Amino acid sequence: DSGVTQTPKHLITATGQRVTLRCSPRSGDLSVYWYQQSLDQGLQFLIQYYNGEERAKGNILERFSAQQFPDLHSELNLSSLELGDSALYFCASSVSVFGEQYFGPGTRLTVT
Amino acid sequence: EDQVTQSPEALRLQEGESSSLNCSYTVSGLRGLFWYRQDPGKGPEFLFTLYSAGEEKEKERLKATLTKKESFLHITAPKPEDSATYLCAVQKGSGNTGKLIFGQGTTLQVKP
Repeated sequence: DSGVTQTPKHLITATGQRVTLRCSPRSGDLSVYWYQQSLDQGLQFLIQYYNGEERAKGNILERFSAQQFPDLHSELNLSSLELGDSALYFCASSVSVFGEQYFGPGTRLTVT
Repeated sequence: EDQVTQSPEALRLQEGESSSLNCSYTVSGLRGLFWYRQDPGKGPEFLFTLYSAGEEKEKERLKATLTKKESFLHITAPKPEDSATYLCAVQKGSGNTGKLIFGQGTTLQVKP
């Protein structure tokens, strides 16, 4: 158990819908990262927050947004969902901006 | 362009048959190289961080080494429970983000 929690574990929804994925980092970690893992793309960085502020964006679609709250938990919002958004979404956390990251169990999103 | 390439894509070993996994990287300024283990449908589990050429880290049957262009994960006398996908990732020294750039992984199967 990494100490990073993610909810829900599974999510099945229809195209065009909007969903919210939730992540609680390890106690004491200030950085939260979101990654997407699909079969053909591997693990891809989406976005990083550090102590409530956006630090960096990767290949994150405009339909996706995220935020980190004062208690340091983070949410990833995915809207206007398409079939191609089906993937595993992982949250990771680290103590500082850099260094090793600890991953949560992931949310499996299926868009039908 | 920053790139991480892992080989082989898949590796089948008999229990007790030692081998090595390779991770080649091209990145402008390496801050750290990370090895993770991932079981099917689970989040990546942190194994090692390597920061400079010549560095080695060990944990049970695993040993990771780093040169200026690549890293190796040596598996000595593997057991069936070592079967998993092993991911290599790099973190750049430049920029203001700790995002990880992942390779596609090596899927290891150890047969009893």
